[in-house]
Amino acid sequence: DGGITQSPKYLFRKEGQNVTLSCEQNLNHDAMYWYRQDPGQGLRLIYYSQIVNDFQKGDIAEGYSVSREKKESFPLTVTSAQKNPTAFYLCASSLRQDSGANVLTFGAGSRLTVL
Amino acid sequence: SQKIEQNSEALNIQEGKTATLTCNYTNYSPAYLQWYRQDPGRGPVFLLLIRENEKEKRKERLKVTFDTTLKQSLFHITASQPADSATYLCALRMDSSYKLIFGSGTRLLVRP
Repeated sequence: DGGITQSPKYLFRKEGQNVTLSCEQNLNHDAMYWYRQDPGQGLRLIYYSQIVNDFQKGDIAEGYSVSREKKESFPLTVTSAQKNPTAFYLCASSLRQDSGANVLTFGAGSRLTVL
Repeated sequence: SQKIEQNSEALNIQEGKTATLTCNYTNYSPAYLQWYRQDPGRGPVFLLLIRENEKEKRKERLKVTFDTTLKQSLFHITASQPADSATYLCALRMDSSYKLIFGSGTRLLVRP
């Protein structure tokens, strides 16, 4: 079955540690995204990538980093510079950003808690 | 300022009734409006899409309307079932931008 796999599902981090969230898709989608979801707020875009080896900052990129070395993979690193990292992180993909409505397919999410 | 608003209070209805959820926006001119369903602890799942030149779209028990004059979309679930209980998100896409802008969602509870 085609889809997006995020791992881990749950992650605990100590203050000052970097953590990396994995996102893999087998949909052959060009574009991939990372969103953050906090209670009572809409999804906020962290980073997005349209093609391999290229990515752009979204609305809340500070304290995060990404890479896109393969079409299928778009890992997100939450660095110690992110002041409030506890949140639900969602990875998504779409066929192409610039075509049509840009319908997103989401992964199941990763919940990060800072201890 | 630009805003997209969904009712933050949960909608609680009896099974079999029609659920109507609202998405209002200001200072946007969206080319597309999408609705997603999100279950607790899961990622959103795409349901329906409506374009700016369409008034209404249907899919099985789901219906979406789009009024660009009122700057509002309504999402209807007819003959609602307890399995329809979830949070429903609306999202806008402007023609000039790749970005999808999401509302914070409305939680629907369908009582048996």
